[in-house]
Amino acid sequence: AQSVTQPDIHITVSEGASLELRCNYSYGATPYLFWYVQSPGQGLQLLLKYFSGDTLVQGIKGFEAEFKRSQSSFNLRKPSVHWSDAAEYFCAVVIYGGSQGNLIFGKGTKLSVKP
Amino acid sequence: ETGVTQTPRHLVMGMTNKKSLKCEQHLGHNAMYWYKQSAKKPLELMFVYNFKEQTENNSVPSRFSPECPNSSHLFLHLHTLQPEDSALYLCASSVGRTDEAFFGQGTRLTVV
Repeated sequence: AQSVTQPDIHITVSEGASLELRCNYSYGATPYLFWYVQSPGQGLQLLLKYFSGDTLVQGIKGFEAEFKRSQSSFNLRKPSVHWSDAAEYFCAVVIYGGSQGNLIFGKGTKLSVKP
Repeated sequence: ETGVTQTPRHLVMGMTNKKSLKCEQHLGHNAMYWYKQSAKKPLELMFVYNFKEQTENNSVPSRFSPECPNSSHLFLHLHTLQPEDSALYLCASSVGRTDEAFFGQGTRLTVV
């Protein structure tokens, strides 16, 4: 079955440090890939997306992600974390079943930022 | 502000009550979704509507009943819920099925 795996449930980084959140997918073809962020009590906000082309995509708030086909990965990175980045991050893929596409989410990685 | 509005933001209901969640978008999107977000579980896709037609029902119990009267509005009618149905219910919309989804802020539902 197709799936999205975020192996880290909770990560803590110091403010100003670099960040990498991991995402792996299991799918036979190249899916459409997304990263969303959710602040407490809020809905999800799109950070960035990959459909095709350049495998390094830039998003909002200084985030970027790199699609690596050989590793079935789409890891999210930020060179310098700010305290306001503390939130939960979700990787998602659009999986095609028949003629329809379903947006499938990983379990999320909660990011804590220490001063 | 994503352009997707959900009401109410919080809802407490008894197991014998009937209530409805509302979602509204004026983004011109054609697809609308209901997701359930429970603690320690991934976001679960419940229902999908595309051009007002239901295209997906992910084995959701019949105590949840969706309604999409037009492309801008989506409802989730609730009746005889169980405590385990307590969760954050998120509505989303997208231009098409392969585009990014825009999410509302969710309705925090507590069943007592």
